[in-house]
Amino acid sequence: NAGVTQTPKFQVLKTGQSMTLQCAQDMNHEYMSWYRQDPGMGLRLIHYSVGAGITDQGEVPNGYNVSRSTTEDFPLRLLSAAPSQTSVYFCASSYSFGTATNEKLFFGSGTQLSVL
Amino acid sequence: SQELEQSPQSLIVQEGKNLTINCTSSKTLYGLYWYKQKYGEGLIFLMMLQKGGEEKSHEKITAKLDEKKQQSSLHITASQPSHAGIYLCGADGRGNTPLVFGKGTRLSVIA
Repeated sequence: NAGVTQTPKFQVLKTGQSMTLQCAQDMNHEYMSWYRQDPGMGLRLIHYSVGAGITDQGEVPNGYNVSRSTTEDFPLRLLSAAPSQTSVYFCASSYSFGTATNEKLFFGSGTQLSVL
Repeated sequence: SQELEQSPQSLIVQEGKNLTINCTSSKTLYGLYWYKQKYGEGLIFLMMLQKGGEEKSHEKITAKLDEKKQQSSLHITASQPSHAGIYLCGADGRGNTPLVFGKGTRLSVIA
């Protein structure tokens, strides 16, 4: 069982470069999300999607773009990387939203991004 | 927006000792998740609590939800080196919003 797969695991960028962090899940989950984790800041929600074609902003969306063309994939795009985007990025998915439906989030193993 | 405060921020315990981690919400809790993260890895689901007074246990880890206090606690009995990691609580305030997380509690278990 693959679960939630994130690529790459590590990435170094120069300021101003663009890149896409990939996230794929094989569990037919409707809900997918991106978090970033920074020391002392915990996990902060960047963007999320409740289904193909539907995305919404989280707590820290600036500088990031997302799209959801298929149920399986939810890529995160950095348009012009900045040092402030140095972080560990986690993709997560679940069948549906929140505790009302008794669904837990499944997390990928993370992408460590450094922007120089 | 809902905020979760975890305490303590970090904890060092001797192997075999008990410990408790707390998670306090700024708003009514409709559900509370506990996750564990080993250093450099993703998050592993531990438990979910939905009802006030609910208590769940898995092996040596017990979580409780005090709805009135808008608080949850995670208790580890007879800690082992395998319990080391970062423990995060997550919650959705209205049952249909993305999870927000606390900043985590870093647990070290020493021999």
